[in-house]
Amino acid sequence: QVQLRESGPGLVKPSQTLSLTCTVSGASISSGSYYWSWIRQPAGKGLEYIGRIYTSGTTNYNPSLKSRVTISLDTSKNQFSLKLNSVTAADTAVYYCARVGGGLDFDYWGQGMLVTVSS
Amino acid sequence: QSALTQPASVSGSPGQSITISCTGTSSDVGGYNFVSWFQQHPGKAPKLMISEGSKRPSGVSNRFSGSKSGNTASLTVSGLQAEDEADYYCCSYAGASWVFGGGTKLTVL
Repeated sequence: QVQLRESGPGLVKPSQTLSLTCTVSGASISSGSYYWSWIRQPAGKGLEYIGRIYTSGTTNYNPSLKSRVTISLDTSKNQFSLKLNSVTAADTAVYYCARVGGGLDFDYWGQGMLVTVSS
Repeated sequence: QSALTQPASVSGSPGQSITISCTGTSSDVGGYNFVSWFQQHPGKAPKLMISEGSKRPSGVSNRFSGSKSGNTASLTVSGLQAEDEADYYCCSYAGASWVFGGGTKLTVL
């Protein structure tokens, strides 16, 4: 069974960099035709696609966040990471990591992690 | 990359059927056969209910079905049960990226 788990600081100061890691078990992020992605959800609002990375390392980002986002792989630890710089209160949200399956859908999700941007 | 359009809320009585629409453009819903639907209960991660427009993943009740016509996809829930009360989101592949709908709150009366 594929499992994902987000980890990182739950509180980030404005203008600083939000950094989260997703640890994957039950699947290797360096093999198979899968994308590994990040999605966020502000409190009481809908889901927003942040970006994804392929096993080869190629990335795609939401155009509205592209200038501030970096997603990377650490195959030695079977993890992938999200960095979002110059954060503001508008970046406060629950952040999910997810796998993109063969149907180009998000088939496995982490439990989500609340990140609050506040001084 | 604009969000897909869903009704804010729908409701139905136990045993009835409801349909949630999801309208996009030819660049997303209409251009690809990769529309998925998610169910989200409060405080929980979204759960994949429909894949590729109409396919049910293993373990998902056959009371859930999906379809698509042009730029609009639909999710139908038949035989409504209390546990179906949740938020539902559509999502479409849009060529290298994805776009979500704004979400629909399903209330079981």
